[in-house]
Amino acid sequence: EVQLVESGGGLVQPGGSLRLSCAASGFTFSSYWMHWVRQAPGKGLVWVSRINSDGTSTNYADSVKGRFTISRDNAKNTLNLQMNSLRAEDTAVYHCTCGSREYFHHWGQGTLVTVSS
Amino acid sequence: DIQMTQSPSSVSASVGDRVTITCRASQGISSWLAWYQQKPGKAPKLLIYAASSLQSGVPSRFSGSGSGTDFTLTISSLQPEDFATYYCQKANTFPFTFGPGTKVDIK
Repeated sequence: EVQLVESGGGLVQPGGSLRLSCAASGFTFSSYWMHWVRQAPGKGLVWVSRINSDGTSTNYADSVKGRFTISRDNAKNTLNLQMNSLRAEDTAVYHCTCGSREYFHHWGQGTLVTVSS
Repeated sequence: DIQMTQSPSSVSASVGDRVTITCRASQGISSWLAWYQQKPGKAPKLLIYAASSLQSGVPSRFSGSGSGTDFTLTISSLQPEDFATYYCQKANTFPFTFGPGTKVDIK
């Protein structure tokens, strides 16, 4: 069974940093694209970033480009999202997902990031 | 950027009803479209990808159709566990935009 478990969320002040992690199990992690998708409280889904299977290719939404960095450790079956210069509008539940380049086949429950002073 | 819209924004239906949700892209996206189901407090779940391909394990009462700019998700006979919010997502180019969602609730 595919399991994706996010961690690292919490309360951070505007301008601060946070590092999210996603522990993957139940599938061959190194064979799949991984994505982060976020959802602000009571709002819809927003794609944030993706990384290819070997970590050599990454893409970002314009809203986070230059502030967020996605990475992965295939030896540890872990996906990461380093978030810097956080803004109030980054407040959301961040979901780790796995799948193809374009589709999100499996999702974690998410970790809540709150940016507030 | 290509914008995604959904209609209706909400629908009230009864168990056994046929429910149809429409998703429209502001420009053509061929068949690069997915549908997700999200229940309150839960992670989204992939139902349909490539406009009409049923994700493994998803009941056959769910079906998708369309190409270009107009797409449809159909639930042939609504079941109690289908009351949820449904999102479409374009997948041809960045950004991978989602539609605003359609809430299906109990009449």
